Amino acid sequence: QAQLAQSGAEARNPGASVKVSCKASEYTLTGYFVHWVRQAPGQGLEWMGRINPNGADTVYAQKFQGRVTMTRDTSINTAYMDLSRLTSDDTAVYYCAREPTGSYYDCWGQGTLVTVSS
Amino acid sequence: QSALTQPPSVSGSPGQSVTISCTGTSSDVGSYNRVSWYQQPPGTAPKLMIYQVSNRPSGVPDRFSGSKSGNTASLTISGLQAEDEADYFCSSYTNINTVIFGGGTKLTVL
Repeated sequence: QAQLAQSGAEARNPGASVKVSCKASEYTLTGYFVHWVRQAPGQGLEWMGRINPNGADTVYAQKFQGRVTMTRDTSINTAYMDLSRLTSDDTAVYYCAREPTGSYYDCWGQGTLVTVSS
Repeated sequence: QSALTQPPSVSGSPGQSVTISCTGTSSDVGSYNRVSWYQQPPGTAPKLMIYQVSNRPSGVPDRFSGSKSGNTASLTISGLQAEDEADYFCSSYTNINTVIFGGGTKLTVL
């Protein structure tokens, strides 16, 4: 059964960057899209972007353009989301999710809490 | 792009049916059969319940069903059970090659 295991909680000061990892098991990243979705405390889900199976193509939500970078390392079957110039509004749980094809997510990571505070 | 519109809350008694709506535009829900629904109990990751408007993944009870008409998609849960109490989110592919979520609906089983 496919699983996505994310890195642990992070705390950052405003203006810093954070990189969250998402390790896939029981399947290979090269066969699927990986999306990143965040959820601020008590709020809904917000789509951030995705990286294509080929690893070369990414699509980011306009809101995060210029601040987010999504990459992957196929040698360790792990995807990454790097978010820079953090503000308190970026405090949220960040999820990675797998898309087979068809814009739906059949497997989610457990989530990574990122707290931005001075 | 604004979030898809969902009612903030719905409720029903055990055994009853409830329907959660998800309204978008002709740029998303109305133009693509790429609407999915997720269930999220408190403190957990979302779980796929319906994909591509009306398809159920294996393991999801057939009490859960999805449909779409125009710019509005719907999730219907029949034979409500206490374990169905959770937040539910819809999502859709968009005409600018992105994904958009609904604001979420809290389902309370009375």
